[in-house]
Amino acid sequence: EVQLLESGGGLVQPGGSLRLSCAASGFTFSSYAMSWVRQAPGRGLEWVSGISGSGGSGGNTYYADSVKGRFTISRDNSKNTLYLQMNSLRAEDTAVYYCAKVSMIVVVQHFDYWGQGTLVTVSS
Amino acid sequence: DIQMTQSPSTLSASVGDRVTITCRASQSISSWLAWYQQKPGKAPKLLIYKASSLESGVPSRFSGSGSGTEFSLTISSLQPDDFATYYCQQYNSYPCSFGQGTKLEIK
Repeated sequence: EVQLLESGGGLVQPGGSLRLSCAASGFTFSSYAMSWVRQAPGRGLEWVSGISGSGGSGGNTYYADSVKGRFTISRDNSKNTLYLQMNSLRAEDTAVYYCAKVSMIVVVQHFDYWGQGTLVTVSS
Repeated sequence: DIQMTQSPSTLSASVGDRVTITCRASQSISSWLAWYQQKPGKAPKLLIYKASSLESGVPSRFSGSGSGTEFSLTISSLQPDDFATYYCQQYNSYPCSFGQGTKLEIK
């Protein structure tokens, strides 16, 4: 059974940093691309970042324009874990952040499994 | 970037009704479209991919159709569990993008 468990959310001041983690199980983690998708309170879904699958620890990375230069996605295939380092946080980054498994090794595909989400609140 | 527009934004219907939600892309995306269902406080769930392929375990009352720029999700006979918000997503090109959502309410 595929499971994705996010952690690391919380309350942070504007300009601060936070690192989200997503522990994956039930599939061959390295063989699939992974993404972060967020949802602001009462709003729709917004793709944030993705990383392709790979045989090593890395992969090609992709970002939405709204987070480029501030967020960094990475993966540790030895730990079956996806990360999102978020710096220079803004109030508009407040959202539930979902970890999502992509259906293939490439980033631009549909998402077949989602985690339960972790809430990030940026406020002073 | 490709923009996705869903209609209607809100749909009121009754158990047993047949309902259709439409999704339009700002440019052709071939059949690279998925549909998701989301209930309050829960993660989205994949229903349909590649415009018309039913995800394993999803009831057959859900169906998808379309190609190019016009797509639809149809629920043949609404069940109480189907009242939720539905999103379309294009994955023809980077960055992938979602529609704004359609909230399906009980009439």
